[in-house]
Amino acid sequence: KQEVTQIPAALSVPEGENLVLNCSFTDSAIYNLQWFRQDPGKGLTSLLLIQSSQREQTSGRLNASLDKSSGRSTLYIAASQPGDSATYLCAARSSGGYNKLIFGAGTRLAVHP
Amino acid sequence: NAGVMQNPRHLVRRRGQEARLRCSPMKGHSHVYWYRQLPEEGLKFMVYLQKENIIDESGMPKERFSAEFPKEGPSILRIQQVVRGDSAAYFCASSRRDRGESYEQYFGPGTRLTVT
Repeated sequence: KQEVTQIPAALSVPEGENLVLNCSFTDSAIYNLQWFRQDPGKGLTSLLLIQSSQREQTSGRLNASLDKSSGRSTLYIAASQPGDSATYLCAARSSGGYNKLIFGAGTRLAVHP
Repeated sequence: NAGVMQNPRHLVRRRGQEARLRCSPMKGHSHVYWYRQLPEEGLKFMVYLQKENIIDESGMPKERFSAEFPKEGPSILRIQQVVRGDSAAYFCASSRRDRGESYEQYFGPGTRLTVT
C-alpha cells in the first residue's frame, strides 16, 4: 500500500533563500509523481509532473527531482519570494491498480519579507 | 479552454440533509476523480469514474456516499444524511486518458461542505 510522507510539515524562511521540500513514498513502483501548490481555501495548482522514467523537471525557479530507488522526490525553490507562501503537496500515482493519486499531508511554507 | 468546474463552491447543510456536489471535467476529458480533504489533512482519494462507469471506489465510505458520471452532464457526488464529520473540502479532478505515462490530473477549485 502506497504511503506518501512530506517533511517538514511547516517551514518559515526569509525572502531570497533557496529551499528544499522533501517527499518520500513507500512503493517505488510509480507511474509518476506530481507536485502541487495549494493556497488557503483554494484548489490545487499543478506545478511539476515527473514521469517514472525521468530524473527531474524544471519550471522557472522550481526544480523537482525523482529517485525511485530510494523512494524520494525533492522540490527545490530558488530565490524564494513572499508570493511562494502556500502549502505544497506531492502526490504519487502507483503503477499497480488504477489512477488514483496518493497525497502527502503537505508542507506549509511561509516566506517573510 | 475552461478548467475543471465545480459547484457550488460553498455548501451548508444541516445534519440529516442531502448534499449534491457537481463536477464538470475539462473539455476532452472523460475521466473524473473525487478527493476529500479534511481540515488540516492531505487529500484522500474517494472514487474514479469514466462515463457511465465506476472504475474504482475503494476510497468511498460504504454508506451514505455515492457517485455517478452520466453520459450527459456533470459528475455528481451525493452524500445522504450528512453528519458533522462530512464537513470537508471535496475536490474533483479530470484527465484525458488513463493509461500511459502522459497521464495528468487537473483539479477543480473544490466544494467546501459545512454541516451544522
